[in-house]
Amino acid sequence: GQQLNQSPQSMFIQEGEDVSMNCTSSSIFNTWLWYKQDPGEGPVLLIALYKAGELTSNGRLTAQFGITRKDSFLNISASIPSDVGIYFCAGLFSGGSNYKLTFGKGTLLTVNP
Amino acid sequence: NAGVTQTPKFRILKIGQSMTLQCTQDMNHNYMYWYRQDPGMGLKLIYYSVGAGITDKGEVPNGYNVSRSTTEDFPLRLELAAPSQTSVYFCASSYPGGAGNSYNEQFFGPGTRLTVL
Repeated sequence: GQQLNQSPQSMFIQEGEDVSMNCTSSSIFNTWLWYKQDPGEGPVLLIALYKAGELTSNGRLTAQFGITRKDSFLNISASIPSDVGIYFCAGLFSGGSNYKLTFGKGTLLTVNP
Repeated sequence: NAGVTQTPKFRILKIGQSMTLQCTQDMNHNYMYWYRQDPGMGLKLIYYSVGAGITDKGEVPNGYNVSRSTTEDFPLRLELAAPSQTSVYFCASSYPGGAGNSYNEQFFGPGTRLTVL
């Protein structure tokens, strides 16, 4: 099956620092997604990317869809304590009526005030 | 709207017991999904449904069954619980994926934490 490699596994940063995480795949996806999961909650969609090369921002978050369609990165600028959580990338391969997400293993972000 | 609701929030089962995880959405979404999340891992798709009466296997369907008799409900059934099924289970729903590269956001419930001893 399709595999997603997400790195780093965890990050410990100081409030105010910028953060970068990325995902690479052995397969091509035609949509890349970034989710955040707070403790005890389900994942919430942060950014969706639909085209190779696309760069999209959502507040302090910026994500890009790699040109090869096999990678994506997420940047968080000027981190704040509420950025703490697990960030997941997910790739979507859509064909016919099937829309199956493949998730990375997540990046655990800790922000020290 | 309540969104996607799941019950129970927590459950402990003995090996061999059965149970049903409930999932309900009030957004009139056609598509519904069940995922499991193991520690340090991403979410893996168990089953999904593209509409009432239609279900299909995901990546890890063994040991589970689903049904979709209404648009709103998508219960997940464990018939003979095994320790390997200890996990956090998430239900999600979405509108049908659009043509081309469009994507309709999957909304997730809060999860059910299941332990099998």
